[in-house]
Amino acid sequence: EAQVTQNPRYLITVTGKKLTVTCSQNMNHEYMSWYRQDPGLGLRQIYYSMNVEVTDKGDVPEGYKVSRKEKRNFPLILESPSPNQTSLYFCASSFGRGGEKLFFGSGTQLSVL
Amino acid sequence: SQQGEEDPQALSIQEGENATMNCSYKTSINNLQWYRQNSGRGLVHLILIRSNEREKHSGRLRVTLDTSKKSSSLLITASRAADTASYFCATDAKGGGGNKLTFGTGTQLKVEL
Repeated sequence: EAQVTQNPRYLITVTGKKLTVTCSQNMNHEYMSWYRQDPGLGLRQIYYSMNVEVTDKGDVPEGYKVSRKEKRNFPLILESPSPNQTSLYFCASSFGRGGEKLFFGSGTQLSVL
Repeated sequence: SQQGEEDPQALSIQEGENATMNCSYKTSINNLQWYRQNSGRGLVHLILIRSNEREKHSGRLRVTLDTSKKSSSLLITASRAADTASYFCATDAKGGGGNKLTFGTGTQLKVEL
């Protein structure tokens, strides 16, 4: 089954404790991206990747890192999480550009205490 | 400011009725898409309409696009309780590099039995 898999689904952590949210897709998509969703703000793009070893900042990249060492994986790293990073995070992928149809993961609800 | 803004923010109808949601955006686009989100889960792509198209159908969904007014509408006919969800429009801005979709804040649709 074609899918984007994110883990974990829920995560509670404390300020400053490094964490990684994993994302994997099995559709051989070149484009992958991370969005965060906050009430009243919709979805905002954090980082995106057009292909292996090619990543770039989205609209809200501060406090996040990403890497794209393999085509299928695009982990999101929070090296020193802060409470304002409490949010619902989504990984998405697309066969072509990021402006085409996106396939989304199920989301990661992160709480930073 | 949001590229896509949906109207109304919330809509409650009876099963069998039609539901209409509107989306306005600010800049020229390559395409406009509609997504559905069930209760904090991942977004699911519904339909994509390109800037040179005026209307598109998919099952019980009908989307229109008016580029002169920078607006789109999503019509769900003969609604069902299972259509209860949040609906988001998303735009691929022309000249934006095709790196992302810009999402609105969504319309919450509730279909009551």
